[in-house]
Amino acid sequence: QQKVQQSPESLTVSEGAMASLNCTFSDGTSNNFRWYRQHSAKGLEVLVSIFSDGEKEEGRFTAHLNRANLHVSLHIREPQPSDSAVYLCAVSMRSSALGRLHFGAGTQLIVIP
Amino acid sequence: ETAVFQTPNYHVTQVGNEVSFNCKQTLGHDTMYWYKQDSKKLLKIMFSYNNKQLIVNETVPRRFSPQSSDKAHLNLRIKSVEPEDSAVYLCASSPTGTGNTLYFGEGSRLIVV
Repeated sequence: QQKVQQSPESLTVSEGAMASLNCTFSDGTSNNFRWYRQHSAKGLEVLVSIFSDGEKEEGRFTAHLNRANLHVSLHIREPQPSDSAVYLCAVSMRSSALGRLHFGAGTQLIVIP
Repeated sequence: ETAVFQTPNYHVTQVGNEVSFNCKQTLGHDTMYWYKQDSKKLLKIMFSYNNKQLIVNETVPRRFSPQSSDKAHLNLRIKSVEPEDSAVYLCASSPTGTGNTLYFGEGSRLIVV
């Protein structure tokens, strides 16, 4: 059973400082990784998808994947107060049925002006 | 821009009642999903439909039943709700094919009293 764990549980940063979020997964055959953002009482917004080791940048959001270490991270450059939200890591296994994403419990990011 | 629409956004009901949540997507996707998000923000897949065919059915209680009239609609009915059904139910859609991103609606919050 795939386990996805995120850290930290909560992160407070000042506006403009880099924010780094971590996600570890248990199944080494995982091949699809996504970071979603969820503002309070809202749906999920996909930020960046990554499928191979290395980095993938989408605007101010950069995902870094190291499958050997079972680790994927998200770095937010110049965070703004509007980036305050819950960030969810989603992992899909090669053996999974279509669309079955395994989610972490999220990191609550608070950006202080 | 929202392209996965859920109704109602919020519903309070008593134990034993029946509830239905509706979902419509305007993205032209072939696959739709229902996820349940608990109070700790953890998301778990419940059902997945591809072209009106059920392809994933997690071991959810029998009182939950998905209903699809066409590939753009996927509803969720809950017969005789129980307190543990209180959660946010998120509908999503994606194109067919592995590695495709899921697009989520804003969720339907259910409170069972």
